[in-house]
Amino acid sequence: AQTVTQSQPEMSVQEAETVTLSCTYDTSESDYYLFWYKQPPSRQMILVIRQEAYKQQNATENRFSVNFQKAAKSFSLKISDSQLGDAAMYFCASPRDGNEKLTFGTGTRLTIIP
Amino acid sequence: GAVVSQHPSWVICKSGTSVKIECRSLDFQATTMFWYRQFPKQSLMLMATSNEGSKATYEQGVEKDKFLINHASLTLSTLTVTSAHPEDSSFYICSAVKIAGSGDTQYFGPGTRLTVL
Repeated sequence: AQTVTQSQPEMSVQEAETVTLSCTYDTSESDYYLFWYKQPPSRQMILVIRQEAYKQQNATENRFSVNFQKAAKSFSLKISDSQLGDAAMYFCASPRDGNEKLTFGTGTRLTIIP
Repeated sequence: GAVVSQHPSWVICKSGTSVKIECRSLDFQATTMFWYRQFPKQSLMLMATSNEGSKATYEQGVEKDKFLINHASLTLSTLTVTSAHPEDSSFYICSAVKIAGSGDTQYFGPGTRLTVL
């Protein structure tokens, strides 16, 4: 079974500081995308960032960046200059079944301390 | 953009009735849509894959006769919970994949909270 592991159920960070959320995955796909989604209290799943596995360069979207280690199957999310609006559940997702479907991790609840 | 809507956002029904949930991609076409279920404080569990013009494929353990899925067009998929019971109460979320240019990225609807009395 293909799995996604988020080992930090909860994390907290001071506003304006940097936090890193960890994720490891196991996929048999060769070319694939990896994703981080956030789910705020509204429960709307929002795409944060995606990484193309065949690209060595780590993806960056404004304050969000990833540290992608393909050999280690590690895909961590770094949030810089944390803001109160970043408070949410963060889910890491990796593909299965020919990239058609996603397997989600159990999530990390991020709290921002004012 | 990539906006996905769901209707209704919440619904309360009596046990034994059927409930239909709609998922629409508003500004793009989607050959594939997915239906998930999420219990409180848990992750998303994939229920089924909905492909336009063909039968849905269900994940192991999901009753296809209870959760009927119809993908009638490139912008609309519906999930019907038939003969709903209290154990079907949950948060149902759909997602849609753009036909091209998104790297198989799934864009999610806002979810539907179903409560069965």
